[in-house]
Amino acid sequence: AQTVTQSQPEMSVQEAETVTLSCTYDTSENNYYLFWYKQPPSRQMILVIRQEAYKQQNATENRFSVNFQKAAKSFSLKISDSQLGDTAMYFCAFMNQGGSEKLVFGKGTKLTVNP
Amino acid sequence: DAGVIQSPRHEVTEMGQEVTLRCKPISGHNSLFWYRQTMMRGLELLIYFNNNVPIDDSGMPEDRFSAKMPNASFSTLKIQPSEPRDSAVYFCASCVSFSGNTIYFGEGSWLTVV
Repeated sequence: AQTVTQSQPEMSVQEAETVTLSCTYDTSENNYYLFWYKQPPSRQMILVIRQEAYKQQNATENRFSVNFQKAAKSFSLKISDSQLGDTAMYFCAFMNQGGSEKLVFGKGTKLTVNP
Repeated sequence: DAGVIQSPRHEVTEMGQEVTLRCKPISGHNSLFWYRQTMMRGLELLIYFNNNVPIDDSGMPEDRFSAKMPNASFSTLKIQPSEPRDSAVYFCASCVSFSGNTIYFGEGSWLTVV
């Protein structure tokens, strides 16, 4: 079974600075998808960014980018120019290719952006 | 575009009562998921439907939990009888059935069983 590990329960960053959230996963599969979801205090789960394992290029969405290291099974999220609205729980998630679209989530990292 | 719609947003009920959570997936999505979120266990997949058919219910904790999807635009998650340990946020999510497609979540139903 696949597992996702987020080793940082909590992090903080100053507004306008850059922060990196870590995620590692364990799988024997070669093709899969990785996601970062954001959960603000409102509790809604919002997709931040996704990465296909077959793509070597790291995904980028505005201020959010990932560092995908397939051999190391690492998928970190970098937030540049942090904003107060980035304060949230961040969940890393794994989905196997083929078969069902089941998402396996990590335990989350609570990020606080300080003014 | 309307997202995944869940109701109720909040529910407080007494132990032993029946609880029914409802979900309307995004129109055109044919995969639907029920997740539960607790502090202790994080986000857990309870059950997954594809084209209204339950595909994987291995995450349903016990017989007190049941889920149905009578049509493509409606699903329910029922707990009977409810217990305090069922207190959690229950998320419904949906996607177009294709591996790797983005799964969209509802705002969650916050259940408290006292």
